[in-house]
Amino acid sequence: EAQVTQNPRYLITVTGKKLTVTCSQNMNHEYMSWYRQDPGLGLRQIYYSMNVEVTDKGDVPEGYKVSRKEKRNFPLILESPSPNQTSLYFCASSTGQGRQPQHFGDGTRLSIL
Amino acid sequence: AQSVTQPDIHITVSEGASLELRCNYSYGATPYLFWYVQSPGQGLQLLLKYFSGDTLVQGIKGFEAEFKRSQSSFNLRKPSVHWSDAAEYFCAVGPRASGYALNFGKGTSLLVTP
Repeated sequence: EAQVTQNPRYLITVTGKKLTVTCSQNMNHEYMSWYRQDPGLGLRQIYYSMNVEVTDKGDVPEGYKVSRKEKRNFPLILESPSPNQTSLYFCASSTGQGRQPQHFGDGTRLSIL
Repeated sequence: AQSVTQPDIHITVSEGASLELRCNYSYGATPYLFWYVQSPGQGLQLLLKYFSGDTLVQGIKGFEAEFKRSQSSFNLRKPSVHWSDAAEYFCAVGPRASGYALNFGKGTSLLVTP
């Protein structure tokens, strides 16, 4: 079954404590991306990756890092989380055709206290 | 500046009635256009997309959308709404050039009444 798997699904943590949200896809997709979803703002892209070792900033990259060492994995790293990063996060993947996100994960709800 | 506008934050329709969700965009050139649906507690699902060709696009779950270049619009329609269509709907646009940056609208929440 085609899947994008995010972990954890829910996390409550404190300011400054480094955290990583993992994302893995089993479809051999080249393109992966991270979005955050906030009420009234819709989805905003944080980072995207066009292939292994190729990443670029989206619209709201400040405070986030990503890596793409393997094709299937695209972790999102918050080195020093702050309360304004409290949000619902989605990972997405797609093939080269069209490049639009075809498959989304079920989301990770982060609360930074 | 590039932007995507979904003018209606909330829409309520009766089950069996027709539906139209509006989407307008501002872009330097004709972009790729998409509609996604998000059910509560879930990720987004791609409903349909427009790249080129026929301006009336058919998608999944009985949805269709029409691209109107003169109006910079890409409205989503369904002839008869089912209660299971209640969800959040997002319009998105992306560049035809290389890169992978999608701009999403802020979403329209659809409520379906009996």
